[in-house]
Formats: sequence, structure tokens, C-alpha cells
Amino acid sequence: ETGVTQSPTHLIKTRGQQVTLRCSSQSGHNTVSWYQQALGQGPQFIFQYYREEENGRGNFPPRFSGLQFPNYSSELNVNALELDDSALYLCASSDRNRDFPGGANVLTFGAGSRLTVL
Amino acid sequence: AQSVTQPDIHITVSEGASLELRCNYSYGATPYLFWYVQSPGQGLQLLLKYFSGDTLVQGIKGFEAEFKRSQSSFNLRKPSVHWSDAAEYFCVQNTNAGKSTFGDGTTLTVKP
Repeated sequence: ETGVTQSPTHLIKTRGQQVTLRCSSQSGHNTVSWYQQALGQGPQFIFQYYREEENGRGNFPPRFSGLQFPNYSSELNVNALELDDSALYLCASSDRNRDFPGGANVLTFGAGSRLTVL
Repeated sequence: AQSVTQPDIHITVSEGASLELRCNYSYGATPYLFWYVQSPGQGLQLLLKYFSGDTLVQGIKGFEAEFKRSQSSFNLRKPSVHWSDAAEYFCVQNTNAGKSTFGDGTTLTVKP
């Protein structure tokens, strides 16, 4: 089975710019979650997508938005970048199965996209 | 709101010694609890999970964790640490399908 792949691995932007990060979910998974991990901290939940709709959101402003596509891949978009947006952005996929609800919580992570905002 | 506390920011142990990493979760009727490990330059890897049933769960790489509802704890243990175990460890709680709450992590250093 293929794992979770993210692109790009590293990128540098300036304040006010926009960025799009991409994620391909693990084969057989139908749910994608995005997390922001600042240096020295644990990952913080941004939002989750299931059936191409946002299904839960953390404490992040609307300039953080996302998409999920029919093949379950996903994008994270961040507008009007701020210096504090510099972080590792992690994508995780999971299998939300009505016969095993807990499966939605078993996350398979990608290696992340390291964003630096100057 | 859910919260996960890992009291130890940094732990150093000698190779071959035993290890215990502490984790306290916020109260939840049916907590789903996990431990993940993050090595430099690598993604987060699931070590083990607890959903229900036996409170002592076994994971990969010789790790185990014990769920104690009375103490709201889910501590991770390993009887004999290897140098390759040096990494950052995260305790995670989830009480619904939408959001996983991570602790701030414990960095493990292994002395030769």
C-alpha cells in the first residue's frame, strides 16, 4: 500500500503571499486531516475533510482553507501569509468506516511540508 | 476542551535502561488514546493505540502503554531502550472522529 505523500517538502514565501500545499492520502483511506506543527510544539489540528466536505475545524482563521478531491487527495491553502505561519504542515489520512468508527482516528502521516515565511 | 499533558519535556536514559514517558489526558467517556513517534526528518509513526478492552496495550518496537482511567493517564514504557529510540514522542487523544489533540511531546535522548 502507498503511504501519504506531501508536496512540496520545503518552500519559502514572503508575508502577504499565498501558498498551496498538496497531499495524497494512503490507498483505501477516505479522510484527510491537516495539522500545523510549530517548532518545539505538538501538531495542532487545522481541519479535516471527509467526502469532499470540511468535517471539523480547529482554532485557525478563515484564511486557512482546504479542498478534498474525489480521489481523496487534498490541498491546504493559506492566504495572506504571516510570519507565525512558518511551521511544518502535516497531512494525515485515515479510514472513516461506519463499521469501525475508531478507524477514523488512526492517522497515517506524511513527512510534511516545511513552510518558511520571511 | 480536550487537553493532553506530557509533563516531561526532555528525558535522557542510558542504552539498555528502562523507559517510562508520562501522559495525562483530559476526562472523556471513551477516550481514544495513541502514542506516536517522530524522528528527525521523518513523519509521525504510530506506536500503539487504546480504544477499549485490555488496559495494557502492546505496540511496535517493544513499546507498551497502560491506560489508567482513575488517573487519566496513558504512560508509555519500554523495558530496554535502544539508541535508535532517540526521537520525539507524542501522546494523542481523540474522543470523536474529527480532531486529534496532541501533547507537546517528550524528547528522548539515549546515552551510549
